[in-house]
Amino acid sequence: KAGVTQTPRYLIKTRGQQVTLSCSPISGHRSVSWYQQTPGQGLQFLFEYFSETQRNKGNFPGRFSGRQFSNSRSEMNVSTLELGDSALYLCASTPTWGFPDTQYFGPGTRLTVL
Amino acid sequence: GDSVTQMEGPVTLSEEAFLTINCTYTATGYPSLFWYVQYPGEGLQLLLKATKADDKGSNKGFEATYRKETTSFHLEKGSVQVSDSAVYFCALRSSGGSYIPTFGRGTSLIVHP
Repeated sequence: KAGVTQTPRYLIKTRGQQVTLSCSPISGHRSVSWYQQTPGQGLQFLFEYFSETQRNKGNFPGRFSGRQFSNSRSEMNVSTLELGDSALYLCASTPTWGFPDTQYFGPGTRLTVL
Repeated sequence: GDSVTQMEGPVTLSEEAFLTINCTYTATGYPSLFWYVQYPGEGLQLLLKATKADDKGSNKGFEATYRKETTSFHLEKGSVQVSDSAVYFCALRSSGGSYIPTFGRGTSLIVHP
């Protein structure tokens, strides 16, 4: 069974630009969550999508948005990039929403903002 | 709000040494507690979990006991290997209200041969 895949793996952008990251969950999983990982803040929850609906949202500005498609694949978008957005962005999938015990994480997308 | 505090890293050990990574938490109710491990270049993997007080989670020689009286969930391993070098995250999921998990900042473990 294929794991969670994220594309691209690495991305370099400049301030002010926007970026879109993609996440394909494990086959059969319908919930996708996104996290931002930085050395200073650790892992912080961004949002969770289930059946194309946002179910939970973390404490991030509106520049961070996401969506989920009918095949459960999800994208997150960051507009007007800031230097502080440089981070590893992880997505995780689970069969249902509401964070059942085990989340399956992808390898992440490393975003560098110059 | 919920919070998880882990010991600062990196933790540097020689192979076969005993490992302890401290984790304490603040949460209402009876949260579930987790340890995740992140190997270089990979996403997080669930290492072990405990869902109620005095439960002991164990996996791959690692273990942690849910201590409600001290609000702790310390990770231990009797004899570490070079392959255990990774970043370890303690996390909790509240039992009521929001189920959004809260993670600690992670502790880097470096094991030398």
